[in-house]
Amino acid sequence: DAKTTQPPSMDCAEGRAANLPCNHSTISGNEYVYWYRQIHSQGPQYIIHGLKNNETNEMASLIITEDRKSSTLILPHATLRDTAVYYCIVRSGPGGATNKLIFGTGTLLAVQP
Amino acid sequence: GAGVSQSPRYKVTKRGQDVALRCDPISGHVSLYWYRQALGQGPEFLTYFNYEAQQDKSGLPNDRFSAERPEGSISTLTIQRTEQRDSAMYRCASSLDLAGGTDTQYFGPGTRLTVL
Repeated sequence: DAKTTQPPSMDCAEGRAANLPCNHSTISGNEYVYWYRQIHSQGPQYIIHGLKNNETNEMASLIITEDRKSSTLILPHATLRDTAVYYCIVRSGPGGATNKLIFGTGTLLAVQP
Repeated sequence: GAGVSQSPRYKVTKRGQDVALRCDPISGHVSLYWYRQALGQGPEFLTYFNYEAQQDKSGLPNDRFSAERPEGSISTLTIQRTEQRDSAMYRCASSLDLAGGTDTQYFGPGTRLTVL
């Protein structure tokens, strides 16, 4: 599976947009970019995923570069409750060869009041 | 149930004992996954099932670890002759299906295993 690279930590002011980068330069054509987050000791929570087009849902937006070698997760108005470790994961899409998620160490986002 | 449940939430055992960790997935979910998470690390894949069939067990660290899902619903992860290095949070996840949709994995609260 392709590996991802994320900064270990980031700060963001409450109410501002949080932009979390991820590099996945070895991604292959049928692999999706998934984002999960883990708040404190809870289980990981799905945020969003995409293949090549930008995606938006009620939680976040995902911007994928045209060459698909990197992406950015955007939380438009960060709140204190968004403080968490954010994981960028590359995996096969639905029905793909493998369903397992390979987590790296993620980015610890600290939202400051 | 409303979400994935796991039991026990905490388990303390002595080295050499066997432990069984239980996962009850979201009703109707076809796929069930086991992960292990050490402190400060992301979850590490262990194994997964579609219905009762174990599809991938490549992440099980050695033959002391085994898992089953005999009726395609509840799953048990068993660790025999536990060692201190087995201490970790063991997380279970389930997903609706593998053929379509987002195949989002929903995680349970985990079982914190401590081997003394």
